[in-house]
Amino acid sequence: GAVVSQHPSWVICKSGTSVKIECRSLDFQATTMFWYRQFPKQSLMLMATSNEGSKATYEQGVEKDKFLINHASLTLSTLTVTSAHPEDSSFYICSAEDRGGQPQHFGDGTRLSIL
Amino acid sequence: KQEVTQIPAALSVPEGENLVLNCSFTDSAIYNLQWFRQDPGKGLTSLLLIQSSQREQTSGRLNASLDKSSGRSTLYIAASQPGDSATYLCAVRLMDSSYKLIFGSGTRLLVRP
Repeated sequence: GAVVSQHPSWVICKSGTSVKIECRSLDFQATTMFWYRQFPKQSLMLMATSNEGSKATYEQGVEKDKFLINHASLTLSTLTVTSAHPEDSSFYICSAEDRGGQPQHFGDGTRLSIL
Repeated sequence: KQEVTQIPAALSVPEGENLVLNCSFTDSAIYNLQWFRQDPGKGLTSLLLIQSSQREQTSGRLNASLDKSSGRSTLYIAASQPGDSATYLCAVRLMDSSYKLIFGSGTRLLVRP
């Protein structure tokens, strides 16, 4: 089945650091990738949608200058949390689909802890 | 704006019980509905996907139904086992060109041995 790899799975860093999270589709070409954030005991909230070769579309309330998304190829999207602060600590999950309306395949998530 | 609600928020049952998890959504114009399982600190595992034209899907001990007109879906788990303990999320896929997934807040299930 379709596999999405997310790296790193866990990162701890100091406040003010920028952190990059990678999301790769291993056996299919992902025309669209989605980035979600999940706070403890809460559901997944969509942050942004990225299409290969174009700018990401951010959900209302998500700062695009804070959460930089790059989808430079059909198999890789990155999320960079710039100048991270403790309130950015969360579980970040990506998903990918090969074309519109097809089931999304999810990565295993990245636990981000900002000290 | 599509909103997805799951009831109950948490459930604890003894092993062997049959149980039903509920999901409701406010806008019936959906592309499909999907049930996921999430273990603590992990990503999502897709359990069942029901297209908008379908009424139910089955996989092993799991059966999911969809009543689009009333905005409801149920996930039925037969003969529950401790290994079924997890958070169960339902999500609806929007009918518009965004194809966004809107998630419910989940039901945390504990199956006691």
